Amino acid sequence: EAGVVQSPRYKIIEKKQPVAFWCNPISGHNTLYWYLQNLGQGPELLIRYENEEAVDDSQLPKDRFSAERLKGVDSTLKIQPAELGDSAVYLCASSSGTSGRNTGELFFGEGSRLTVL
Amino acid sequence: AQSVTQPDIHITVSEGASLELRCNYSYGATPYLFWYVQSPGQGLQLLLKYFSGDTLVQGIKGFEAEFKRSQSSFNLRKPSVHWSDAAEYFCAVGLNYGGSQGNLIFGKGTKLSVKP
Repeated sequence: EAGVVQSPRYKIIEKKQPVAFWCNPISGHNTLYWYLQNLGQGPELLIRYENEEAVDDSQLPKDRFSAERLKGVDSTLKIQPAELGDSAVYLCASSSGTSGRNTGELFFGEGSRLTVL
Repeated sequence: AQSVTQPDIHITVSEGASLELRCNYSYGATPYLFWYVQSPGQGLQLLLKYFSGDTLVQGIKGFEAEFKRSQSSFNLRKPSVHWSDAAEYFCAVGLNYGGSQGNLIFGKGTKLSVKP
């Protein structure tokens, strides 16, 4: 069974440029998460989807960040424009079920490491 | 507010020695607790989880953790560390929505180094 797939693994851009990250969750997983991991820190939730609905985006900086999961499967996270402080690892995770019947175990991708110069 | 504290930023142990990584949580309801491991450049892998029942839970790679409600702790242990255990370890608490699990709140992690 394929795991959570993310691309690109690494991205280097100049500040004020746009960037997008893509995530394909484990087949059949209804819930998809985007986490931000700064150097030396634990992951912090940006947004959680249940199917195609964003059920928790309270930590997503909406002035520059956007995300979509149009068909309830894969998802894209976009930053426009990027700032120096956005340099971090962006982790995607998925889990089976939804908040009503969720096992609680998240499966993580390898992450997309962003460097903003 | 919910939070997870991992007091040790970095721990070094000798190969073959025992290991205990500390985790304390703050959460108003019955917690769902997790330990994840992250090798350099990799995503997080679940080691073990506690939902209910037996407070001593067994995980993969020979790890175990004990839930102590009175101490709000969920410490991770391994009796004999292998060089391949060198990684970063994250404790997490699951937010409980009406009896089911939602987001995870992670601690800042403990980096484990293993010396020969």
